[in-house]
Amino acid sequence: DTAVSQTPKYLVTQMGNDKSIKCEQNLGHDTMYWYKQDSKKFLKIMFSYNNKELIINETVPNRFSPKSPDKAHLNLHINSLELGDSAVYFCASSREWGNSPLHFGNGTRLTVT
Amino acid sequence: QKEVEQNSGPLSVPEGAIASLNCTYSDRGSQSFFWYRQYSGKSPELIMFIYSNGDKEDGRFTAQLNKASQYVSLLIRDSQPSDSATYLCAVIKYGGSQGNLIFGKGTKLSVKP
Repeated sequence: DTAVSQTPKYLVTQMGNDKSIKCEQNLGHDTMYWYKQDSKKFLKIMFSYNNKELIINETVPNRFSPKSPDKAHLNLHINSLELGDSAVYFCASSREWGNSPLHFGNGTRLTVT
Repeated sequence: QKEVEQNSGPLSVPEGAIASLNCTYSDRGSQSFFWYRQYSGKSPELIMFIYSNGDKEDGRFTAQLNKASQYVSLLIRDSQPSDSATYLCAVIKYGGSQGNLIFGKGTKLSVKP
């Protein structure tokens, strides 16, 4: 069983579109995250969410919004996609917020044309 | 000053040698430190974590932490070609009531047969 799964694996879309990436974890973890890895392979946190508290990295445009229907899911919605949004997006989860290692999904490669 | 700094490499070592990967961090209050390995096109996977000053060994891997110097390192003994990957240092950064895992840009390791 895949611990952290995200779909789709690849997403190609045009500028201006709205898209979503889904993430699910079956580890029973309390906290989930979204990271963005750019072309230079720098992994940067976008959001962390533990059911009731959302922490947003202040550099993330408000076109990006996380949506969590329950503790096992954290989806990423992106409005008005821009060329610079092209990257690999990783979902991750951890047992608790603060000291626990992260378990990553396989990533979604987003290409905006 | 960047929050987590690593030499980008590439670091090239012959098979069987010891690979030494280094990382410094800026937040003196950081308590938890992690090393992840990322193969090209794959997601990061946890290798080791360390919380206390000193050394922590796991198989061929040894993590070393010096909080006074704000320095954490990873030694890989008897390096194998399969160890060739990018190694990401990550540090928990606390903000408000919670902490997020902040990554360095990674060091690319190449182990030559």
